[in-house]
Amino acid sequence: DAKTTQPDSMESTEGETVHLPCSHATISGNEYIYWYRQVPLQGPEYVTHGLQQNTTNSMAFLAIASDRKSSTLILPHVSLRDAAVYHCTPRTGGNNKLTFGQGTVLSVIP
Amino acid sequence: GPKVLQIPSHQIIDMGQMVTLNCDPVSNHLYFYWYKQILGQQMEFLVNFYNGKVMEKSKLFKDQFSVERPDGSYFTLKIQPTALEDSAVYFCASSLGLGGRSYEQYFGPGTRLTVL
Repeated sequence: DAKTTQPDSMESTEGETVHLPCSHATISGNEYIYWYRQVPLQGPEYVTHGLQQNTTNSMAFLAIASDRKSSTLILPHVSLRDAAVYHCTPRTGGNNKLTFGQGTVLSVIP
Repeated sequence: GPKVLQIPSHQIIDMGQMVTLNCDPVSNHLYFYWYKQILGQQMEFLVNFYNGKVMEKSKLFKDQFSVERPDGSYFTLKIQPTALEDSAVYFCASSLGLGGRSYEQYFGPGTRLTVL
């Protein structure tokens, strides 16, 4: 399984754009990168995923480096509701197993 | 969006007893998963299940664990007998398929299991 590295925590102010980095230097060519977020007392919530191309949806923009060894989740105009633990996780194999690390705790200040 | 429900939200049992954790997945989903999260630690994959069969299980999925989904009802995780180290939050997830966006897993809110 590809190993990922994320900063333990980041802090932002409401309305700012946040860049959450993830390093996945050992990712294999056919592994997707998935991002989930989790708030206390709830299960993880899907944010976005990508393989090679940058992707965007209503929640975030995912920028994937051309060598695929890293990616950055970009959250525009964060609100208090975006405070969560953000997990960058490779989707491993045909059985869709997700491998979670400690993730990045994002704090949002009013 | 689609919801995964888990029943009960909290279960307290004595060591050695049997426990069944219930998951009501998204109605048209075909793939089901269990993950385990010990307090303060990362979430870890236990098992996934499709068409009545376990597809993959981790080393955390001990012989005392079993999963089933009889006749399209709840997807269950049974632990018999329980041990102290089974105390954790167990998250159920489901996905529509294994291709494209259908890989997305929807998670339930978890069942907190306390083994005394």
